[in-house]
Amino acid sequence: GAVVSQHPSWVICKSGTSVKIECRSLDFQATTMFWYRQFPKQSLMLMATSNEGSKATYEQGVEKDKFLINHASLTLSTLTVTSAHPEDSSFYICSARGEGGITGELFFGEGSRLTVL
Amino acid sequence: QQQVKQSPQSLIVQKGGISIINCAYENTAFDYFPWYQQFPGKGPALLIAIRPDVSEKKEGRFTISFNKSAKQFSLHIMDSQPGDSATYFCAASNNRAGTALIFGKGTTLSVSS
Repeated sequence: GAVVSQHPSWVICKSGTSVKIECRSLDFQATTMFWYRQFPKQSLMLMATSNEGSKATYEQGVEKDKFLINHASLTLSTLTVTSAHPEDSSFYICSARGEGGITGELFFGEGSRLTVL
Repeated sequence: QQQVKQSPQSLIVQKGGISIINCAYENTAFDYFPWYQQFPGKGPALLIAIRPDVSEKKEGRFTISFNKSAKQFSLHIMDSQPGDSATYFCAASNNRAGTALIFGKGTTLSVSS
């Protein structure tokens, strides 16, 4: 089946620094990718929708200047957490829509755990 | 506004028993209803999914029951095993429009041996 890879899987950074998380579709082209955030023992909350070649669409309450999303190619989307603070510590998960256009199956990455000290 | 409501929050089932998790949705534009299984530290994995043109779908020990008029769907895990212990999320989306999945709050299932 289709695979979505995230890197890094685990990252620890100091408060005030920026962290970039990559999401790659390994064997298919993904025109749309979604970014979710999951706090411990909670559900996945949609942060933004990323479309290749255009600006991301952010959900209400998500700061676009803090969570920079770039979908530069059909196989790569990146999430940059700028000036990270301890409250940004979370599990970040991307999802990519597979082939079949907008109705293609959704595949999830393994997630990236961010810890901000 | 919570678009997908899931219950119970936690569930304990004996080995060999049936685990039942329920979800209700509000948006009638939703046309795709998957269930995901998540183990600690891992991303969610698709278990089974259903579209509103059928009332039931079975794959192995997992069955989705769907009630369009009530806007409810449920996951049944037959012959539950300790390896099924995980967190389960229902989700919904308007797949025709290519929207993102909206997740329920999750159910933590523990299967005792």
